[in-house]
Amino acid sequence: NAGVTQTPKFRVLKTGQSMTLLCAQDMNHEYMYWYRQDPGMGLRLIHYSVGEGTTAKGEVPDGYNVSRLKKQNFLLGLESAAPSQTSVYFCASSYRVDTQYFGPGTRLTVL
Amino acid sequence: AQTVTQSQPEMSVQEAETVTLSCTYDTSENNYYLFWYKQPPSRQMILVIRQEAYKQQNATENRFSVNFQKAAKSFSLKISDSQLGDTAMYFCAFISYGGATNKLIFGTGTLLAVQP
Repeated sequence: NAGVTQTPKFRVLKTGQSMTLLCAQDMNHEYMYWYRQDPGMGLRLIHYSVGEGTTAKGEVPDGYNVSRLKKQNFLLGLESAAPSQTSVYFCASSYRVDTQYFGPGTRLTVL
Repeated sequence: AQTVTQSQPEMSVQEAETVTLSCTYDTSENNYYLFWYKQPPSRQMILVIRQEAYKQQNATENRFSVNFQKAAKSFSLKISDSQLGDTAMYFCAFISYGGATNKLIFGTGTLLAVQP
């Protein structure tokens, strides 16, 4: 089992560009999450999903959109990237409200 | 609001010795889990240990154990026989279930350096 995987691992964008981060899990987990990690601030929840076809806002959702068309995939989109979105992005999944398993992260730089 | 506080931004320990990382949390919920995650320089978030709030017995995983004090809302991590590979950022995290929020809340982390 690969666990939780994220694509891409690194990306550099210019302000105003768009991109999509892909998260995939092969553990048949119901719940999936997107976090961002900034220095000195721990991880903050952007959006999450409690099942296929559902999404919900987390702590810092502005500037991001998500979709969960398939149970195993959770996409995070940036429609118009801003320098404030420079961060490391983590995807996680869990069976229910319990232990979350994390992907390796995506380092995004917005110039 | 639910919060997790880690008051030690950095700690250092000699190889083979024992170190304790502190964590306190604030919640009005009764049903929740507590976790310690490790983030080495590779950036991967790795689960170290998990505690269910309704269990009085402290969780242990090999060299890692917790001191869970529910009334004091304290959840410290003890690492015994520290190894160089334990060098990492350690995050305490909390999630409640059965209520309105089902979100994992993290502390700001403690950077642990194991010295040879």
